Amino acid sequence: DTGVSQNPRHKITKRGQNVTFRCDPISEHNRLYWYRQTLGQGPEFLTYFQNEAQLEKSRLLSDRFSAERPKGSFSTLEIQRTEQGDSAMYLCASSPSDIQYFGAGTRLSVL
Amino acid sequence: GENVEQHPSTLSVQEGDSAVIKCTYSDSASNYFPWYKQELGKRPQLIIDIRSNVGEKKDQRIAVTLNKTAKHFSLHITETQPEDSAVYFCADHTGAGTALIFGKGTTLSVSS
Repeated sequence: DTGVSQNPRHKITKRGQNVTFRCDPISEHNRLYWYRQTLGQGPEFLTYFQNEAQLEKSRLLSDRFSAERPKGSFSTLEIQRTEQGDSAMYLCASSPSDIQYFGAGTRLSVL
Repeated sequence: GENVEQHPSTLSVQEGDSAVIKCTYSDSASNYFPWYKQELGKRPQLIIDIRSNVGEKKDQRIAVTLNKTAKHFSLHITETQPEDSAVYFCADHTGAGTALIFGKGTTLSVSS
């Protein structure tokens, strides 16, 4: 599969725990985005990387959230001290230009 | 801030009918308007897009129209089939490297 890959597909955690998600973009796509999607809503932008540089962060990205793309290829999104309100689908998208291609997401459930 | 309004939130049609979903955007700098189809538990998949220098684009049974003056764009699906049933999202952005702003989605149900 040459599409955007996200792992894990599902994550169940207890409130207060830290979680980390991984996104592998389509090869050679230099732009990478993270979005969050809750039930009945469209995806909401979290952060954007061009190569390894994090160029934009949404107000939705609280201090408990951190994202990296150390070598300009895969990216990780970490949530520290998870809260029940963090439960959502976390989507990654990559892009060579203006078209964004999405992964299948990581569904996070915080108990 | 920038937002995209999408209507209707749900749409039920009979197989073979047409379906139309409309979106209105607020940022006059928006220049790219994609439509995504998302089936339950799956990734959003791009089905068609249009750029601001074009008024209409068609791909088989799917078409998108853009009215920049009125700041709205629409998805048209003709000869609907049960496999068209999904949630459809419109979105816009102001250029490569900018975030997509999504509508809230339209749940399309096509009954046979």
